Amino acid sequence: DIQMTQSPSSLSASVGDRVTITCRASQSISSFLNWYQQKPGKAPELLIYGASNLQSGVPSRFSGSGSGTDFTLTLSSLQPEDFATYYCQQTYSTPRCSFGQGTKLEIK
Amino acid sequence: QVQLQESGPGLVKPSETLSLTCTVSDYSITSGYYWDWIRQPPGKGLEWIGSIYQSGSTYYNPSLKSRVTMSVDTSKNQFSLRLSSVTAADTAVYYCARAGATIFGAFDPWGQGTLVTVSS
Repeated sequence: DIQMTQSPSSLSASVGDRVTITCRASQSISSFLNWYQQKPGKAPELLIYGASNLQSGVPSRFSGSGSGTDFTLTLSSLQPEDFATYYCQQTYSTPRCSFGQGTKLEIK
Repeated sequence: QVQLQESGPGLVKPSETLSLTCTVSDYSITSGYYWDWIRQPPGKGLEWIGSIYQSGSTYYNPSLKSRVTMSVDTSKNQFSLRLSSVTAADTAVYYCARAGATIFGAFDPWGQGTLVTVSS
């Protein structure tokens, strides 16, 4: 099984800050890495697919990069609505998949 | 715009079987894609449960495989999850989602989720 490890587990930042979240796979997954945002009481929403492709309707302040085993999600200028929990997901072994443990982004 | 909606009992007794259905709207389930179940225990992260294709081919999380059964009902445009011998550890919000081949297998959209509590 492919294990996904996110860091940090939690992060405090201010509006306007640039933030980076990292996701590491236990083996190479090429570009089969997706990022989701989840707000309390809501279902996750797709932000980035294929490591760097912005899902339709997602603001351009979100970006993703990486390939192989190391990936990053960057928020260029935090907005109040960005405070949420973020998950990475590998779909290299699709239809099987696995998620990272999540990164909670909180307001400083 | 495709929509997914989970339905089923919100309370299940220990050792019994959890049964949920996901109804797909504005998209035919026979048109392709994998259809998935994911769960999230209260305050915890996401766990993939399994996936089913329109043909009925299934793929399960190895950690749950012995207790999971997924099926598809094309006449009702629904797919279903059964999880047997449940314990309190199976208490979670259960989500259904569509996995898109053109988006690297990512899940979009998701249903709103349904909380299932295992308790006597």
